[in-house]
Amino acid sequence: DTAVSQTPKYLVTQMGNDKSIKCEQNLGHDTMYWYKQDSKKFLKIMFSYNNKELIINETVPNRFSPKSPDKAHLNLHINSLELGDSAVYFCASSQSRLPLDEQFFGPGTRLTVL
Amino acid sequence: GESVGLHLPTLSVQEGDNSIINCAYSNSASDYFIWYKQESGKGPQFIIDIRSNMDKRQGQRVTVLLNKTVKHLSLQIAATQPGDSAVYFCAEINAYKYIFGTGTRLKVLA
Repeated sequence: DTAVSQTPKYLVTQMGNDKSIKCEQNLGHDTMYWYKQDSKKFLKIMFSYNNKELIINETVPNRFSPKSPDKAHLNLHINSLELGDSAVYFCASSQSRLPLDEQFFGPGTRLTVL
Repeated sequence: GESVGLHLPTLSVQEGDNSIINCAYSNSASDYFIWYKQESGKGPQFIIDIRSNMDKRQGQRVTVLLNKTVKHLSLQIAATQPGDSAVYFCAEINAYKYIFGTGTRLKVLA
């Protein structure tokens, strides 16, 4: 009964490829997020969706495109992968977009671009 | 195994002692703060939060202190246990956005 799940857990790919990471939450939450954690463990928000609507879009290259087919899913598609995209990507969800609502994080997807 | 985060500030504490992890935040307008724990190979996990109209909040074995004058947040863990070994992040929330601190690795020595 995993709350927030991500697939794949590990992704190794060549520069220039296009890849997707999937995220699903079974908590009935309205809001979902994508974060990037770099090699120094610095965690930064990338996107946030509330009921399938984009509400936060940080300064992220447009090679990154989130897609939310329904409020339980938020997938991240990355085009033309670059070396600097190597990181751990975390999906999270919260009941609503209100800051007081706790965010629940997935286990992460470690992306390695060669 | 974990090969990242080798240059994180590290706090080594003897088992049973108290731990204090510090965090400086950036925006004086931030009105809500959270401490997260991240164990190896896992996502961050909520520990405790505090609103900007408070200066102290206690949970089970954890206490968060907020000093708005100097924009400083601390997490105190009482009677530190091996299971407390992890990376700890503070986060400040402003305008619906979470801004995470750089993280501190806590190592509990037996």
